[in-house]
Amino acid sequence: AQSVTQLDSQVPVFEEAPVELRCNYSSSVSVYLFWYVQYPNQGLQLLLKYLSGSTLVESINGFEAEFNKSQTSFHLRKPSVHISDTAEYFCAVVRRDSSYKLIFGSGTRLLVRP
Amino acid sequence: SAVISQKPSRDICQRGTSLTIQCQVDSQVTMMFWYRQQPGQSLTLIATANQGSEATYESGFVIDKFPISRPNLTFSTLTVSNMSPEDSSIYLCSVGLAELSSYNEQFFGPGTRLTVL
Repeated sequence: AQSVTQLDSQVPVFEEAPVELRCNYSSSVSVYLFWYVQYPNQGLQLLLKYLSGSTLVESINGFEAEFNKSQTSFHLRKPSVHISDTAEYFCAVVRRDSSYKLIFGSGTRLLVRP
Repeated sequence: SAVISQKPSRDICQRGTSLTIQCQVDSQVTMMFWYRQQPGQSLTLIATANQGSEATYESGFVIDKFPISRPNLTFSTLTVSNMSPEDSSIYLCSVGLAELSSYNEQFFGPGTRLTVL
């Protein structure tokens, strides 16, 4: 069975500092990987995804994630965070042979302080 | 992408009653799903809403507790039946759009925040 682990439930960081949100997965088959963001009192938005090709993927708002097959990781990074990045971040996987069943991690709350 | 709306956005209900949540999409979609997000926890897939047939439920979820309808390709409802405080959660609708790749990217609605007293 697949699982997704986000070790950090909350990550406090000062504005303009770098941040890394960790995500590890376990699966016996190949997966697609995603990061979703949930701003306060809003629904989930897709932040970025890895389907194939380059292992480094980027979002339009400065986040990036790198797929590392040997370490089964898909950590999310941003070199300089803003107050507006405060949100809950969820890592998720989909088995390539099931095509749609998203399995989510427990989430990491990023708290950006001035 | 797809624009998804849910009604109601939030509700407070009494134990033993039922609530029906609506999900409306602005375009026809192949796949619709219902998720639950319990307080402080992650999302769990409840079921896949199938157009014209019975929903497909995940382990731990049953039709009697969470009946689902999907009369067409743009609309679905989820009912939370005989509610208890343990049903207090955010319920989210999501849709999958067919792409050239085999993966159907999912987009989520804003969610319905349910509190059961």
